[in-house]
Amino acid sequence: GAVVSQHPSWVICKSGTSVKIECRSLDFQATTMFWYRQFPKQSLMLMATSNEGSKATYEQGVEKDKFLINHASLTLSTLTVTSAHPEDSSFYICSARDPAGQNTEAFFGQGTRLTVV
Amino acid sequence: DQQVKQNSPSLSVQEGRISILNCDYTNSMFDYFLWYKKYPAEGPTFLISISSIKDKNEDGRFTVFLNKSAKHLSLHIVPSQPGDSAVYFCAAFFGNEKLTFGTGTRLTIIP
Repeated sequence: GAVVSQHPSWVICKSGTSVKIECRSLDFQATTMFWYRQFPKQSLMLMATSNEGSKATYEQGVEKDKFLINHASLTLSTLTVTSAHPEDSSFYICSARDPAGQNTEAFFGQGTRLTVV
Repeated sequence: DQQVKQNSPSLSVQEGRISILNCDYTNSMFDYFLWYKKYPAEGPTFLISISSIKDKNEDGRFTVFLNKSAKHLSLHIVPSQPGDSAVYFCAAFFGNEKLTFGTGTRLTIIP
């Protein structure tokens, strides 16, 4: 089946630095990708919808200047956490649906565990 | 407003018995429903889905039931196995809209 690859799987960074997370669709073209965040023992919270070639659509309460999303190609979306703070420590997950596939389920990346120290 | 709800945060089931996970939704526009399984520190993996035009879909040990009038769906796992221990999320969407997830149910299979 379709595969979405996310990198890195975990990262530790110092407070105030920026971290970039990549999300790639490996065998299909994704015009739309989604970025989620999961806090411990909570559901997946949609942060933003990444649209290829245009600006991302952010959910209410998500700071677009802090969580920069770039969807420069049909197979790659990146999420950059800028000026990271300890409260940004979380598990970030991307997903994409294959618009040409028979199934409509979303495929998820492996997730990125971000720890800001 | 939580449009997709999983009211049981946790569930324990004896190995070999049936596990039943429940999910309720409020948005009548949802026309496609999915179940995902998630292990700690990993992304969710797709399990099974159902379109709103159906009321049952079966795949091996997994069966999803949809009751549109009650806006309720359930996932049945039988027989339950230790490897089924994970957090299960139901999700829903319509058209090309984003997935809306429930809060998850932690399933523990007791050997």
